[in-house]
Amino acid sequence: NAGVTQTPKFRILKIGQSMTLQCAQDMNHNYMYWYRQDPGMGLKLIYYSVGAGITDKGEVPNGYNVSRSTTEDFPLRLELAAPSQTSVYFCASRRDSEDYGYTFGSGTRLTVV
Amino acid sequence: DAKTTQPNSMESNEEEPVHLPCNHSTISGTDYIHWYRQLPSQGPEYVIHGLTSNVNNRMASLAIAEDRKSSTLILHRATLRDAAVYYCIFVSGNTGKLIFGQGTTLQVKP
Repeated sequence: NAGVTQTPKFRILKIGQSMTLQCAQDMNHNYMYWYRQDPGMGLKLIYYSVGAGITDKGEVPNGYNVSRSTTEDFPLRLELAAPSQTSVYFCASRRDSEDYGYTFGSGTRLTVV
Repeated sequence: DAKTTQPNSMESNEEEPVHLPCNHSTISGTDYIHWYRQLPSQGPEYVIHGLTSNVNNRMASLAIAEDRKSSTLILHRATLRDAAVYYCIFVSGNTGKLIFGQGTTLQVKP
């Protein structure tokens, strides 16, 4: 198992550009999550999904969009990049029961200039 | 959303036990208590979780108070590689959202 795979690992965007952060898991997990982490801070939940075709907003969804067409993939879209979106982005997944731990990806470090 | 309270930082000496406390006074009876740690420049890593009983695994032990309003993560012999930010989180509801606080930064001295 590869676990949770995030691509790219690093990216520099110009203000106003768009990009998609990819997240894929091969564990057949229905529950998937996107977080952002600003320097020296804890993680903030952006969006989450409890299964294919089902997504919902987290704590900080503004400026982002998600889709979940398959169980494996949960991409995060930035439409008009802003400097405030400079952050490290983490994707996570979990089995259907709360009685299991969550698996996190290694992150995407995004800089908007 | 679910909130926990942890000390901002703690120090330990290498090869000594470490007890990391967490308060979660608003926890409900069906919420699981999860602990994760984050090493510098890495994603969070699962450590341990539990519901009511104390739990042990190869990484750590989790002691849960009888009223479930607090818990303690126990690292039996701290190593330099255990230096990290430790997050205590309780998972509430059927969405499984993990709501992170600031965590406890553990420093391990040789």
